[in-house]
Amino acid sequence: SSELTQDPAVSVALGQTVRITCQGDSLRSFFASWYQQKPGQAPVLVISGTNTRPSGIPDRFSGSISGNTASLTITGAQAEDEADYYCLSRDTSGNHRGVFGGGTKLTVL
Amino acid sequence: EVQLVQSGAEVKKPGESLKISCQGSGYNFNSNWIGWVRQMPGKGLEWMGIIFPGHSDTRYSPSFQGQVTMSADKSITTAYLQWSSLKASDTAIYYCAIYFSDSSGCAFDYWGQGTLVTVSS
Repeated sequence: SSELTQDPAVSVALGQTVRITCQGDSLRSFFASWYQQKPGQAPVLVISGTNTRPSGIPDRFSGSISGNTASLTITGAQAEDEADYYCLSRDTSGNHRGVFGGGTKLTVL
Repeated sequence: EVQLVQSGAEVKKPGESLKISCQGSGYNFNSNWIGWVRQMPGKGLEWMGIIFPGHSDTRYSPSFQGQVTMSADKSITTAYLQWSSLKASDTAIYYCAIYFSDSSGCAFDYWGQGTLVTVSS
């Protein structure tokens, strides 16, 4: 099995840049995908693969990976970016299993 | 347009059985994994398992193996998640989502709206 660790909470001033991180051994082998979840709503994919944004996701969202740490960067955070963010990656045990990080609550000040 | 439409909220008693559904449209249902994700009240997302409707291949998280059963009916492009004996700790929102996985990673591309399951005596 694998574990992914995220900071529980992060804050950013309006218009500034924030990085949300996700750590785990599986990230040495697999990319992370990232999800935004606002209260009362289903999660939404914001980044997958190397750094792919689905249609409709603003280009201020970007992803990167280094060693065992994946990062979601929001450049010029907006008030509407306040949400919970989750990373997801493959489980090292194989069989296409995945594992989520614990989530990060982003507050835009 | 890709859509996943889930069945409505359920209120059950401990020990009862339940089957919730997720109907897909706008894509090739038989050729894409569908996954289930649990979110307990006030908590994070948990990867439960996936099913490939084309041949009903299933993969479960160890945490959910033996606790739930995933199935699919290709004729009506619908996936199911079922319990034989619910517990209060099964109270959660359950999401279905189209799942992509390859040698580089994985992702849930499209999500259903979620089904709230409440188990209470």
